[in-house]
Amino acid sequence: DGGITQSPKYLFRKEGQNVTLSCEQNLNHDAMYWYRQDPGQGLRLIYYSQIVNDFQKGDIAEGYSVSREKKESFPLTVTSAQKNPTAFYLCASSITRQPQHFGDGTRLSIL
Amino acid sequence: QKEVEQDPGPLSVPEGAIVSLNCTYSNSAFQYFMWYRQYSRKGPELLMYTYSSGNKEDGRFTAQVDKSSKYISLFIRDSQPSDSATYLCAMSAEGTNAGKSTFGDGTTLTVKP
Repeated sequence: DGGITQSPKYLFRKEGQNVTLSCEQNLNHDAMYWYRQDPGQGLRLIYYSQIVNDFQKGDIAEGYSVSREKKESFPLTVTSAQKNPTAFYLCASSITRQPQHFGDGTRLSIL
Repeated sequence: QKEVEQDPGPLSVPEGAIVSLNCTYSNSAFQYFMWYRQYSRKGPELLMYTYSSGNKEDGRFTAQVDKSSKYISLFIRDSQPSDSATYLCAMSAEGTNAGKSTFGDGTTLTVKP
């Protein structure tokens, strides 16, 4: 079954710690995206990548970092510089001019 | 002001009702219009996808786009309890990174049996 797999489903971060959220897709999509969703709010774009080894900042990139070494994978690191990381993180992928398909998200909380 | 404004809700209707969900936008470059459904603790799933103006129907769902008014709607006929979810509108422009969409804040719908 083709799709987007995000792991883990739940993640806890201690103060001063970096954590990495995994996103893998087997849809052969070129573009991948990371969003943050807070309660009662829409999706805010953190980073996106249109091709391997290239990525661009979205609207709220501060405190986050990404890599795109493989077409299938687009991990997101939430760094200690992100002071309010508690949120639901969604990964998506798409082909050009087509809508995005989403994974089932990772919920990150502060310990 | 946000580029995409979505009726905030929440919305509660009896089973069988017709539901209307709406978004307005300010960016005239938007050409692609999507509606996503999101169940609690899940990722959004694509419901409807339209290009430019017009109507599109898929079963109980109808999407309408009025570019002259910068207004889009999603209608749900014969609503069911399983339709209870948050609905997100999304839009993107031609030419630039067209997969990069702008989302509304979502409308939470509850359909009561």
